[in-house]
Amino acid sequence: EDKVVQSPLSLVVHEGDTVTLNCSYEVTNFRSLLWYKQEKKAPTFLFMLTSSGIEKKSGRLSSILDKKELFSILNITATQTGDSAIYLCAVGTISNFGNEKLTFGTGTRLTIIP
Amino acid sequence: DGGITQSPKYLFRKEGQNVTLSCEQNLNHDAMYWYRQDPGQGLRLIYYSQIVNDFQKGDIAEGYSVSREKKESFPLTVTSAQKNPTAFYLCASSKTEINEKLFFGSGTQLSVL
Repeated sequence: EDKVVQSPLSLVVHEGDTVTLNCSYEVTNFRSLLWYKQEKKAPTFLFMLTSSGIEKKSGRLSSILDKKELFSILNITATQTGDSAIYLCAVGTISNFGNEKLTFGTGTRLTIIP
Repeated sequence: DGGITQSPKYLFRKEGQNVTLSCEQNLNHDAMYWYRQDPGQGLRLIYYSQIVNDFQKGDIAEGYSVSREKKESFPLTVTSAQKNPTAFYLCASSKTEINEKLFFGSGTQLSVL
């Protein structure tokens, strides 16, 4: 059974701090790893990673994948209150029938204190 | 603006009742999905559809049914056979069936009276 584990489950930091969120996985037929941000209701796409060692960056957010050790990290520097959200990690796999499947982790709830 | 619209935002179900959650997209996406989100658990796939008039069961399909009569619409019915329906339900779409970048709706919170 495919498994995606995120840590920590919850994190509270002060505005301006840097945070690192972790996502490890055990899956068959890995295709990609994705990060989503869920602020209120609808998760929104942040990054998709398919290759090891290549950092994806968007403003203060960055992410990298290690396919040998089977994990990814999401970094947020100079955090702001608007970064408060649940961050979801999902791993995409391809079945033997060629269809796509996403397995989600439980998410990390990040709270930024002003 | 293109996007996914879910309705209603909140829904209450009486015991023994079937309820239907609406999901409409105007992104011209081929694939649509229904996920269930419970506290402390990851999103779990209920059903998905890659093309019109075709759909497949996900990991937790029991007690649910879907239809895909139009490309834009993918309604989910929570039947009386679903004994623990209280959850947050998210609809999503992607351009093709092999495209992990999902676009999500704002969700429906279903509660049991």
